Amino acid sequence: SQQGEEDPQALSIQEGENATMNCSYKTSINNLQWYRQNSGRGLVHLILIRSNEREKHSGRLRVTLDTSKKSSSLLITASRAADTASYFCATDRGAQKLVFGQGTRLTINP
Amino acid sequence: DTAVSQTPKYLVTQMGNDKSIKCEQNLGHDTMYWYKQDSKKFLKIMFSYNNKELIINETVPNRFSPKSPDKAHLNLHINSLELGDSAVYFCASSQDFAAYEQYFGPGTRLTVT
Repeated sequence: SQQGEEDPQALSIQEGENATMNCSYKTSINNLQWYRQNSGRGLVHLILIRSNEREKHSGRLRVTLDTSKKSSSLLITASRAADTASYFCATDRGAQKLVFGQGTRLTINP
Repeated sequence: DTAVSQTPKYLVTQMGNDKSIKCEQNLGHDTMYWYKQDSKKFLKIMFSYNNKELIINETVPNRFSPKSPDKAHLNLHINSLELGDSAVYFCASSQDFAAYEQYFGPGTRLTVT
């Protein structure tokens, strides 16, 4: 069964708004990663947060991790049309065995 | 200068055929992976090689056989293709087995008719 589950499955917002995506998982993890997939392309690594971290920033990205709730969120601020993509969380329980969720399909409307 | 490349990008074939997908990375990474993404976008790891040695072998039918001739290449051979094999197959690499970030290829869309 899939470890990570993203919520919502699809999100459509206006350019300039903030986008928040959530990820829940089931077992303890070493770290959690977020990836972006543009249509017809491979996945691109965005950010990694370790199990002992609560929040991490990278440019317009903000990731939080709540290990007690087994959940993470990805916030994209000031969204742009180029942010339109699918976003996946991936949990790492060790041995480089990433387990991906189904992804959130984000659409930024101009 | 593509970091992780795959060929072919599209592959359409009939049931029962045997096909191969090739993957090459020019990042100097030690570890490579094969993933399968189904029609519902679920992405699942199939195999992982570190320095040409198989380290992850998920529950995948024996019809799937990875081969790593050197640490820059990881090919996937599929025998007796079935309709359920239709998916997008992604190759990925990471610096080493302890590295976290994985670099993905563009994917190969396999359609079995």
